[in-house]
Amino acid sequence: EDQVTQSPEALRLQEGESSSLNCSYTVSGLRGLFWYRQDPGKGPEFLFTLYSAGEEKEKERLKATLTKKESFLHITAPKPEDSATYLCAVQAKGGATNKLIFGTGTLLAVQP
Amino acid sequence: DSGVTQTPKHLITATGQRVTLRCSPRSGDLSVYWYQQSLDQGLQFLIQYYNGEERAKGNILERFSAQQFPDLHSELNLSSLELGDSALYFCASSAGGAIGNTIYFGEGSWLTVV
Repeated sequence: EDQVTQSPEALRLQEGESSSLNCSYTVSGLRGLFWYRQDPGKGPEFLFTLYSAGEEKEKERLKATLTKKESFLHITAPKPEDSATYLCAVQAKGGATNKLIFGTGTLLAVQP
Repeated sequence: DSGVTQTPKHLITATGQRVTLRCSPRSGDLSVYWYQQSLDQGLQFLIQYYNGEERAKGNILERFSAQQFPDLHSELNLSSLELGDSALYFCASSAGGAIGNTIYFGEGSWLTVV
């Protein structure tokens, strides 16, 4: 069964304190791994898609990397506005659907 | 703004009632997805439609049904509502067809069953 596990569940950082979020996945065949940001009461906002091991993508203070078993979302010198829940999801190969299977997210709080 | 529009934003209804949630996908997107997010669970996939036809089913209860219309908007019907159905319901859309294409989410419909 395809599965996504995110850690930690919650993370509190001081402004400027860099860290990483982890996403471990088990999937029969990976089509793509997605990172989303979700603010309270809002819809998930797309950040990145990674397709193959070794791939990296960056956006402002965020950098996502992918291996065969996990993905990391590195946050460099975070600011309070980076506070949100970060969701990881996978798309599996095979079948006619490209639905996403989500992890339960990491709640990030950045204190000034 | 993702371009995916959902209505209503908030809905309060009583147990046993039926509600309909509406979704307009991004312009040109053929695939529509419905997800449920409750406090104690992550985003749970319910169902996907592609160009009017059901493409995949997830953890959707028999009391729930969905459809996608010729103009590509979609509706999620929830009937015989129970307290446990209270959740955020998200609609998402993607272009469809291409491998691994990005799925964009709407702002959700908050359903409270009392």
